[in-house]
Amino acid sequence: DSGVTQTPKHLITATGQRVTLRCSPRSGDLSVYWYQQSLDQGLQFLIQYYNGEERAKGNILERFSAQQFPDLHSELNLSSLELGDSALYFCASSVVAGTYNEQFFGPGTRLTVL
Amino acid sequence: EDKVVQSPLSLVVHEGDTVTLNCSYEVTNFRSLLWYKQEKKAPTFLFMLTSSGIEKKSGRLSSILDKKELFSILNITATQTGDSAIYLCAVPDSGTYKYIFGTGTRLKVLA
Repeated sequence: DSGVTQTPKHLITATGQRVTLRCSPRSGDLSVYWYQQSLDQGLQFLIQYYNGEERAKGNILERFSAQQFPDLHSELNLSSLELGDSALYFCASSVVAGTYNEQFFGPGTRLTVL
Repeated sequence: EDKVVQSPLSLVVHEGDTVTLNCSYEVTNFRSLLWYKQEKKAPTFLFMLTSSGIEKKSGRLSSILDKKELFSILNITATQTGDSAIYLCAVPDSGTYKYIFGTGTRLKVLA
């Protein structure tokens, strides 16, 4: 158990809908990362927050948005869902935002769009 | 464009064999390279290699970094069925804190 929690564990929804994925980082970690993992794409970095501020952005679609709250938990919002958005979404956290820090991954949320 | 390429894509061995997994990278400003093991769920951290730490070892797993040739290898000796997993390597890209992951090597160890 990494100490990172994600809810829900599984989510099944229909195309066109909007969902919110939630992540609580490890105690003491200030930085949160979101990743998407699909079978054909591997692990893709979406976005990173550090202490409430956006720090880095990857290949995140305009239909997706995220934020980190004052209590450091983060939410990833996915809207106008398409079949291709079906994937495993991971949240990871690290102590700071640097590039010499191990990232601890949560158990993931499996999203299925029907 | 920064990138990370892992090989082989997939590997099947028998218990007791030794395996070598490869990760080559192209980044303008290298800072670190991380190895993760992903079984059924979340990736778990194995090693971080940097300019000041080019060799790491933990039990049957070891890793080295070749900064000149821009690659890293992960060695697993005396493999066990519990080593079956996807092994991922990642590097932060040149300008930001964005981490680039390779597609991984899927290792299956047969009893």
